[in-house]
Amino acid sequence: DVKVTQSSRYLVKRTGEKVFLECVQDMDHENMFWYRQDPGLGLRLIYFSYDVKMKEKGDIPEGYSVSREKKERFSLILESASTNQTSMYLCASSSALAGSQETQYFGPGTRLLVL
Amino acid sequence: GEDVEQSLFLSVREGDSSVINCTYTDSSSTYLYWYKQEPGAGLQLLTYIFSNMDMKQDQRLTVLLNKKDKHLSLRIADTQTGDSAIYFCAEKAGGYQKVTFGTGTKLQVIP
Repeated sequence: DVKVTQSSRYLVKRTGEKVFLECVQDMDHENMFWYRQDPGLGLRLIYFSYDVKMKEKGDIPEGYSVSREKKERFSLILESASTNQTSMYLCASSSALAGSQETQYFGPGTRLLVL
Repeated sequence: GEDVEQSLFLSVREGDSSVINCTYTDSSSTYLYWYKQEPGAGLQLLTYIFSNMDMKQDQRLTVLLNKKDKHLSLRIADTQTGDSAIYFCAEKAGGYQKVTFGTGTKLQVIP
């Protein structure tokens, strides 16, 4: 079974703090993704990566950065947290191999509250 | 850009069929997916359909794809209380890693 783990289930931070969200997958997947989920807005893509050290902006990258130094790990960084970044953050990974249907496998999510 | 739309809420009685609908705009979609999210959890793939198919059945689940109208539906037969969750429609355009998700439909099953 594919396993995607996220470093925290719940996180409370103060405005202006630097926040690191970590995601690890154990299936040697090439692609990794960070989304945020907000009621009524569904999932919105923040950043994704298709290889080590490679990154692409998603639909809402402002206020976020990412790091992918190893294939299995994809980190989301909030340089200076703001209250409008209070959300549920979901990490996902997928294989780029032919026949994989590029199904995305999700972690359990990190619920971040910025005070 | 790509857009995927779903109604936000559906309520059905236990034992009835549920039909969750989705419309999308990208005509170059290769795969379309249905994901399920239970409370407090991440998304889990339920089923997918390749864009050259018009129907796929998997036990209680039936996916119908109308490419001309860009309409996707998920039918759950004999809906159970354990089917209560948020269901996300998603589509993947050809040649890109990115998948676009809908807003999710919250299915409430009434005993």
